[in-house]
Amino acid sequence: EVPLVESGGGLVQPGGSLTLSCTVSGFIFSASTIHWVRQAPGKGLEWVGRIRGEANSYATAYGASVKGRFTISRDDSKTTAYLQMKSLKTDDTAVYYCTRASGYYQASAWFDPWGQGTLVTVSS
Amino acid sequence: QSVLTQPPSVSGAPGQRVTITCTGSRSNIGADYDVNWYQQLPGTAPKVLIYGNNNRPSGVPDRFSGSKSGASASLAITGLQAEDEADYYCQSFDSRLSAWVFGGGTKVTVL
Repeated sequence: EVPLVESGGGLVQPGGSLTLSCTVSGFIFSASTIHWVRQAPGKGLEWVGRIRGEANSYATAYGASVKGRFTISRDDSKTTAYLQMKSLKTDDTAVYYCTRASGYYQASAWFDPWGQGTLVTVSS
Repeated sequence: QSVLTQPPSVSGAPGQRVTITCTGSRSNIGADYDVNWYQQLPGTAPKVLIYGNNNRPSGVPDRFSGSKSGASASLAITGLQAEDEADYYCQSFDSRLSAWVFGGGTKVTVL
């Protein structure tokens, strides 16, 4: 069983929108902080953002390159996190992974486990 | 350009020892934030290899070890094996950016 499964990727035109889903099983979703990390083709990993659980008021944080364009949300009843992407640019083309923050202190968190990723292609 | 700096590639013969460095600054590794390491095999998602600077998750061979000193960290692979060919990434937190940050990645080649 795969603990995290991303879905919703595909081809979108520049300026368009897309929403990715990350469905979780096998661990307590409601208490978990979920991060999104992306990887452009042939490039390294880039942190996108994160959402904390209800105990921390579902606080969100975003990387500079996506702030103001991307929104992370969650539905604990569906054990699913979402990444809503707007005003997409060609530079947003990447495989998008969701992952759980592990460890007690959020700043020192490591990411484990990871989903298999979903590819988003922004092109005309 | 990544906040954490890694060499693009390292290589070694089977059985040898290789080291990957990860250089940060006073706002991340130098601020005493933990460093974590990930292994990404071709076509797969990253997997945590070392967490909290020098801890191995269960199932990770003890050939892999991590260390940290000042604003830098290192991942060492001893007894290099063909299956270790992969990309390796360091990761930490940056207080100036208020963001989790990754190194640019290092490709390990087994000669």
